[in-house]
Amino acid sequence: GAVVSQHPSRVICKSGTSVKIECRSLDFQATTMFWYRQFPKQSLMLMATSNEGSKATYEQGVEKDKFLINHASLTLSTLTVTSAHPEDSSFYICSASLSSGTTDTQYFGPGTRLTVL
Amino acid sequence: SQELEQSPQSLIVQEGKNLTINCTSSKTLYGLYWYKQKYGEGLIFLMMLQKGGEEKSHEKITAKLDEKKQQSSLHITASQPSHAGIYLCGVNAGGTSYGKLTFGQGTILTVHP
Repeated sequence: GAVVSQHPSRVICKSGTSVKIECRSLDFQATTMFWYRQFPKQSLMLMATSNEGSKATYEQGVEKDKFLINHASLTLSTLTVTSAHPEDSSFYICSASLSSGTTDTQYFGPGTRLTVL
Repeated sequence: SQELEQSPQSLIVQEGKNLTINCTSSKTLYGLYWYKQKYGEGLIFLMMLQKGGEEKSHEKITAKLDEKKQQSSLHITASQPSHAGIYLCGVNAGGTSYGKLTFGQGTILTVHP
């Protein structure tokens, strides 16, 4: 149980184009999902909190107009990198929060490797 | 904000050896998560510790929470190549940021056969 998928796993795009990454909780519903970015040999950096049915909450320094997040259902959140540039190349990972009693555990997707040429 | 410091940053062991990874918090721990990540992949949830003194095990991996020391340790017994990867500890940010996780910088584990 508690499986999270991401699609695509890898994407290469030209500078200036937009890329959409999907995050799905396959066997549970998640009102809250999170999007992280990870640079080589570094830990995860939280970008935003995706809330089903409401606007995402972005961390300080993350441009909300550049990284569009939509959480239209309890099992799907999408991250769209608009007008991508080479500096946006990174590993993007999502997680979905599963509540059990008084605890919440985040289960992570396998990640998406974005390369912008 | 709460910060986590992991030690060591990297670790190389021979297969069969035991090892310990530590995670120290700058503030009181109200719960701590341990994850494992293989390079280029997502994070695998290992276990969550909530109470001081709590100890959990999953196969050959045991984690403990010492609230007084604001520290958690992850111990692997008789390590195997399959244990290799990056181990990350994380805590809930707390307050209005509840639900968000703050991670340590990770410990890279290499196990030589």
